Amino acid sequence: QKEVEQNSGPLSVPEGAIASLNCTYSDRGSQSFFWYRQYSGKSPELIMFIYSNGDKEDGRFTAQLNKASQYVSLLIRDSQPSDSATYLCAAKQSGGGADGLTFGKGTHLIIQP
Amino acid sequence: GAVVSQHPSRVICKSGTSVKIECRSLDFQATTMFWYRQFPKKSLMLMATSNEGSKATYEQGVEKDKFLINHASLTLSTLTVTSAHPEDSSFYICSAASGKETQYFGPGTRLLVL
Repeated sequence: QKEVEQNSGPLSVPEGAIASLNCTYSDRGSQSFFWYRQYSGKSPELIMFIYSNGDKEDGRFTAQLNKASQYVSLLIRDSQPSDSATYLCAAKQSGGGADGLTFGKGTHLIIQP
Repeated sequence: GAVVSQHPSRVICKSGTSVKIECRSLDFQATTMFWYRQFPKKSLMLMATSNEGSKATYEQGVEKDKFLINHASLTLSTLTVTSAHPEDSSFYICSAASGKETQYFGPGTRLLVL
């Protein structure tokens, strides 16, 4: 059974601080990992993906992957109130486009002004 | 780029009727489309994977005769919920992939079965 685990939160972070979101996965065959942001009542929006160990930065976002520990994280620098949303971690088994995603339940992030 | 649309965005139907949901990739050709379902305060669960011109692959526990999927072209996939019941009420979201890493999600269809 492929599982992706996230702390549901809520995680409350003051505006301007760094928000740290964590995710673990059970399937060692997972190759690619994705972070999506989902606002209430809306569909997920892709933030970034990562498939190599280490860090990957994109603007205020940094994804981190540690395959040995089966651990993925997302850092959001200079957090803004508009970052308040549910953040979904997802894993995909293959390196191509043909596999569906296994999602975690999401972490509800609240950025306090 | 990479825009996926869904229609309708919201549908209310009576128990026992069938509902068709369309998913279109507007600016790219999607070799694979995926259908997910999300119940309130739950995460997205993959229902099925569809490849253009072939039968869909359903996840365990998803009834293929109840959730009919057609992927007739590289830009269109449809999900038909047959004989819908109140427990089928959910948020149905499609995504499309062009063979690369990323799946792009549609805006979702909220189904309410009375």
